Amino acid sequence: NAGVTQTPKFRVLKTGQSMTLLCAQDMNHEYMYWYRQDPGMGLRLIHYSVGEGTTAKGEVPDGYNVSRLKKQNFLLGLESAAPSQTSVYFCASSYAGGPETQYFGPGTRLLVL
Amino acid sequence: KQEVTQIPAALSVPEGENLVLNCSFTDSAIYNLQWFRQDPGKGLTSLLLIQSSQREQTSGRLNASLDKSSGRSTLYIAASQPGDSATYLCAVRGAGNNRKLIWGLGTSLAVNP
Repeated sequence: NAGVTQTPKFRVLKTGQSMTLLCAQDMNHEYMYWYRQDPGMGLRLIHYSVGEGTTAKGEVPDGYNVSRLKKQNFLLGLESAAPSQTSVYFCASSYAGGPETQYFGPGTRLLVL
Repeated sequence: KQEVTQIPAALSVPEGENLVLNCSFTDSAIYNLQWFRQDPGKGLTSLLLIQSSQREQTSGRLNASLDKSSGRSTLYIAASQPGDSATYLCAVRGAGNNRKLIWGLGTSLAVNP
């Protein structure tokens, strides 16, 4: 099992450019999450999905869109990147949203100039 | 509003020491509490999950305790090793309808050989 994988590992964007981060999991998990991690801020939930075809907003959804067309994939899109979106992005998945723990990908470092 | 605090922010110890990491939370109405480990440039790995009805969980050299009434959890690491060097994060899941995870900023641990 590869677990949770994220593509790309690192990316540099110019302000206004768009990109999509891909998250894939092979554990047949229903729930998937996108977080961002910033110094002094802790992990913050951007969007999440409770199943194929569903998405929901987290704490900091503005400037991001997501899609869950297939159960194993969760895409995070930035339509017009801003320097404030420079961060490390983590994807996670879990069997359900309650007591089960979340499994994390290795992260994507994004730098917006 | 739930807030999670981890003290100390950084800790450096010689190999072989027993050590305690602290996590405190402001709202005792929690569903569970989890301890994660984060290695540099990598994702998070779940270490221990304590349900609100439990007092402690153990895994190998790790023991996590939970005192819900005082809003505290501790992660005890016995006989520390250089391989334990990482950042340790505490996350609290709320009870009731608010099941989202609230994260602490972590304790950065260095175990020196």
